[in-house]
Amino acid sequence: AQTVTQSQPEMSVQEAETVTLSCTYDTSENNYYLFWYKQPPSRQMILVIRQEAYKQQNATENRFSVNFQKAAKSFSLKISDSQLGDTAMYFCAFMRYSGGGADGLTFGKGTHLIIQP
Amino acid sequence: DGGITQSPKYLFRKEGQNVTLSCEQNLNHDAMYWYRQDPGQGLRLIYYSQIVNDFQKGDIAEGYSVSREKKESFPLTVTSAQKNPTAFYLCASSWGAAKSYEQYFGPGTRLTVT
Repeated sequence: AQTVTQSQPEMSVQEAETVTLSCTYDTSENNYYLFWYKQPPSRQMILVIRQEAYKQQNATENRFSVNFQKAAKSFSLKISDSQLGDTAMYFCAFMRYSGGGADGLTFGKGTHLIIQP
Repeated sequence: DGGITQSPKYLFRKEGQNVTLSCEQNLNHDAMYWYRQDPGQGLRLIYYSQIVNDFQKGDIAEGYSVSREKKESFPLTVTSAQKNPTAFYLCASSWGAAKSYEQYFGPGTRLTVT
C-alpha cells in the first residue's frame, strides 16, 4: 500500500512571496504519477501540476513547479509570486498504474495555504 | 459544456436509510472514481471503475455499493451498514494513459445523516 505524508498542516505567507509545500510518499511501485491538487473554499478539486515518475525533469506550470527527488521519495511544490487566489487547501496525491489502467489516487492530509495581502 | 455533474449538492437522510448519490460525466472518460472527504482529511478512495460493468473496491468500501451500467454514470449507494456516513463525497473521471490518467472532479455532494 502507498502512503502520502504532508507535514505542514498550515502555512501563511505574504502576497508576492515564494512558498514551498512539502510532500513525501512511500511506495515499492515503479510505475506511478504524482499530483498536486488545489481545493479552494468552493471545495472544487483543481489539478495544479503532475509529475511522471520515470521523467527526471521537474514539471513546471507557470508559477508552479515541483522538486521531484525520486530516491528520497519527495515531491515538493513551489509557488512563485504568490497571489491571493492561491489561498486554498493543497493536496499531494499518488497514483499507481499498469497495463490494465490506473488505480485511484492516494492523498495526503493536505496543507492549508493562506496568502496574506 | 463537458464536465462531471453530481446531484444533489446537499443531501439529508435519517439514520438507517440507504441513499444513492448521482455522478454523471459527458467527457467520454473510461474510468470513474468515488472519494470521501472528512474534515481535516484528504480524500479517501471508496470504489473505482475502469470499464462498464466492472468495478473495484478502494480503501474504504465497507458500507458502500456501486454500479456501472453505462459509461456516463457511476452512482454510489451509501447503505445503512456505513457507520459514519456524514461526509463530503466527490466523484471523478479520467482518460487512460494517453492523458496521464488525469482525474477531473465533480463539485461534490455533502451528505448529512442524523
